[in-house]
Amino acid sequence: QKEVEQDPGPLSVPEGAIVSLNCTYSNSAFQYFMWYRQYSRKGPELLMYTYSSGNKEDGRFTAQVDKSSKYISLFIRDSQPSDSATYLCAYYGQNFVFGPGTRLSVLP
Amino acid sequence: EPEVTQTPSHQVTQMGQEVILRCVPISNHLYFYWYRQILGQKVEFLVSFYNNEISEKSEIFDDQFSVERPDGSNFTLKIRSTKLEDSAMYFCASTSGPYLRETQYFGPGTRLLVL
Repeated sequence: QKEVEQDPGPLSVPEGAIVSLNCTYSNSAFQYFMWYRQYSRKGPELLMYTYSSGNKEDGRFTAQVDKSSKYISLFIRDSQPSDSATYLCAYYGQNFVFGPGTRLSVLP
Repeated sequence: EPEVTQTPSHQVTQMGQEVILRCVPISNHLYFYWYRQILGQKVEFLVSFYNNEISEKSEIFDDQFSVERPDGSNFTLKIRSTKLEDSAMYFCASTSGPYLRETQYFGPGTRLLVL
């Protein structure tokens, strides 16, 4: 079983749509959960992090963690073309583990 | 806004050659990291570094790799004898403290191509 699984996409949505991105993980030692955004040929940029189950909101972004199901989600409201990027979930237990990323395209 | 910088942006080398990738972390940060991303694949952790010592390293970080903080600002990754499979984007990252490990700031990367 892979340590982190994430649908690679690509996911295409119209501007203004609500986007849902998901990751599952297998390692119970993971303590911190992060979402990064990566534009083409750029380094990852931290969007949100959390360490507890539940929801965390930051502007148009909401991160949701369910530790019992080993499942995390990122919701993007009112999506914009500038949100088009690859979204990486990441975890920290003993070191950082990244998911393979979901490529998102928001069409104007 | 402070940022992590990396040089060079691109490097082409022959198999078996040594390469040094350079990073300047954010000035008040104390924890430093190297990652790699092979084209089309996920970001992979290589090594973390604190107080002039390696804190953690992955299986990828074998004897061919080494890291160093030669002065107060630079953080380097050396690959002693490059292999074709070392071709990847290498990212440096830094954080200000262990309890803020999740708030990593990444540099723009160095694209390494081994021929």
